Amino acid sequence: QKEVEQNSGPLSVPEGAIASLNCTYSDRGSQSFFWYRQYSGKSPELIMSIYSNGDKEDGRFTAQLNKASQYVSLLIRDSQPSDSATYLCAITGAGGTSYGKLTFGQGTILTVHP
Amino acid sequence: DTEVTQTPKHLVMGMTNKKSLKCEQHMGHRAMYWYKQKAKKPPELMFVYSYEKLSINESVPSRFSPECPNSSLLNLHLHALQPEDSALYLCASSPVRTSGGKNNEQFFGPGTRLTVL
Repeated sequence: QKEVEQNSGPLSVPEGAIASLNCTYSDRGSQSFFWYRQYSGKSPELIMSIYSNGDKEDGRFTAQLNKASQYVSLLIRDSQPSDSATYLCAITGAGGTSYGKLTFGQGTILTVHP
Repeated sequence: DTEVTQTPKHLVMGMTNKKSLKCEQHMGHRAMYWYKQKAKKPPELMFVYSYEKLSINESVPSRFSPECPNSSLLNLHLHALQPEDSALYLCASSPVRTSGGKNNEQFFGPGTRLTVL
């Protein structure tokens, strides 16, 4: 089992819809959870971070964390064509050699069509 | 200033060349990172510096040599690379190296696109 798994894409949604991106992880001691957006040919951009169970909202983005189920998700409301990108889930481990180390999922390609 | 900068943007080098990649941040961050990213893959961690000391080396071949001259600068020295080393090289920084919380948020530079002929 991979340490961080994202739902396989690509994911295609119409403009104005809600895009739902999911991520599961294997290390129960994981501390911090991040979503990065990466446009083609560009570097990853941090768009959301979440550290405790529940929801965290920032504009059109909502991150959801459920540590008991080892699950983190990102919802994008009112999706726009400019949201078309690869979304990377990243998690930091509990400690030891994982101390401060980001582990990435494989990424989900999102396409928002007009 | 909330940016991480990297130079050069593009680099083409032969297998016998020696070159260096540079990274700079002025956010007062004390942890800096080098990642390698191949096409359609996530970034792979190479090195971590914490307070200018090398903390993590992810078993990277010795043809890659990192250096942290001061708290704002990070270099990656390249020597005798192979064509399979062609990739996007990303630098990132975070306030500190920690197991969790906001201080572990990593911010990436724009990257250096490296091609080894």
